[in-house]
Amino acid sequence: QVQLVESGGGVVQPGGSLRLSCAASGFTFSTYGMHWVRQAPGKGLEWVAVIRYDGTSKFYGDSVNGRFIISRDNSRNTLYLQMNSLRPEDSAVYFCVGEKSSGLPDYWGQGTLVTVSS
Amino acid sequence: DIQMTQSPASLSASVGDRVTITCRASQTISSYLNWYQQKPGKAPKVLIYGASGLQSGVPSRFSGSGSGTDFTLTISSLQPEDFATYYCQQNYNIPRTFGQGTKLEIK
Repeated sequence: QVQLVESGGGVVQPGGSLRLSCAASGFTFSTYGMHWVRQAPGKGLEWVAVIRYDGTSKFYGDSVNGRFIISRDNSRNTLYLQMNSLRPEDSAVYFCVGEKSSGLPDYWGQGTLVTVSS
Repeated sequence: DIQMTQSPASLSASVGDRVTITCRASQTISSYLNWYQQKPGKAPKVLIYGASGLQSGVPSRFSGSGSGTDFTLTISSLQPEDFATYYCQQNYNIPRTFGQGTKLEIK
């Protein structure tokens, strides 16, 4: 069955860096666009970034643009999010999401918690 | 960016009630609209895709309708397990945007 398993979350100081990973299985990863979506404690869902299925295009939300980098390794079926210059407002559960096409249902991981605090 | 406005923000209802949640987009998004259910501590679960497509395994009491800018999620007869928070999301363009959520509580 389809699985997306995020890892790499934890506690980091403001200004620090963290790299999240998302391991995919049960579907053809290399044909799916992949997103990161986050949710601050007690808040709603916020889209963070997307990468095209072949890695040739990437887009970011305004709040992370210039600080976060999305990437993928299709040979390892893995999605990444490099997070730099972290701020307290980046504290959230980060979900990876696989999307075959806009008109089809997507797949979500269970999330990994990032806490930015001194 | 496309703004998604959900209403109501919260809703109190009883088991067996019919419930409707609405979502309005700030510009046309055709039928590129998903509905999600989220329970505390869990990932969102897709209920409806493409505005009206029922995700496999989702009970038929859930239905979605609409196109263009106005959309609805209807639960025909509330069950105890349906009390959760519901989100709409447009996947018409980037950035993807979500509604602010509707918290469905037991009356």
